[in-house]
Amino acid sequence: QKEVEQDPGPLSVPEGAIVSLNCTYSNSAFQYFMWYRQYSRKGPELLMYTYSSGNKEDGRFTAQVDKSSKYISLFIRDSQPSDSATYLCAMSENQAGTALIFGKGTTLSVSS
Amino acid sequence: KAGVTQTPRYLIKTRGQQVTLSCSPISGHRSVSWYQQTPGQGLQFLFEYFSETQRNKGNFPGRFSGRQFSNSRSEMNVSTLELGDSALYLCASSLRLAGGAEQYFGPGTRLTVT
Repeated sequence: QKEVEQDPGPLSVPEGAIVSLNCTYSNSAFQYFMWYRQYSRKGPELLMYTYSSGNKEDGRFTAQVDKSSKYISLFIRDSQPSDSATYLCAMSENQAGTALIFGKGTTLSVSS
Repeated sequence: KAGVTQTPRYLIKTRGQQVTLSCSPISGHRSVSWYQQTPGQGLQFLFEYFSETQRNKGNFPGRFSGRQFSNSRSEMNVSTLELGDSALYLCASSLRLAGGAEQYFGPGTRLTVT
């Protein structure tokens, strides 16, 4: 079992839909959780960063962490065609000192 | 402020050859990490350099090596290329060692091994 599991999709939704992206993990020592967005031919860019359990909201994006279930989610409200990209979850045990462990990414396509 | 730059952006090499990739971090950033991204394995950590010293290393064979210069620029070398080395190689820079979420990624070098 890989440390981080993420459904690769692809996920296709119409513009305006609510999108839910998810990752599960096995290492209970993970404390820092991140979501990256990667456009084609670009490097990943950080979208959301949360520590431990709970919710964090930033505009149309909400990140949720449930450490008891070892499950994290990213919700995108009012999805736009510009949200079409690959979304990667990433985790680490420490804020600094260890490398990030990434999921394989979910490809999202939002049609207008 | 300029972002992380990587050169070249695309590269085609033959099996058995060696290749060197270059990464220039954001000005002031002292840490450079390298990652390999493939459809099958996703994004995997190769190694991290900070102040010209390798500080962290992933689970890759010794054919993968790197170095960092005094200006924080970094190079990654892969010797005796194999078909499975075809991937997008990303570097990320951060202000401090193992910057975690504070890493900023470059656009990557797409390496194709034939």
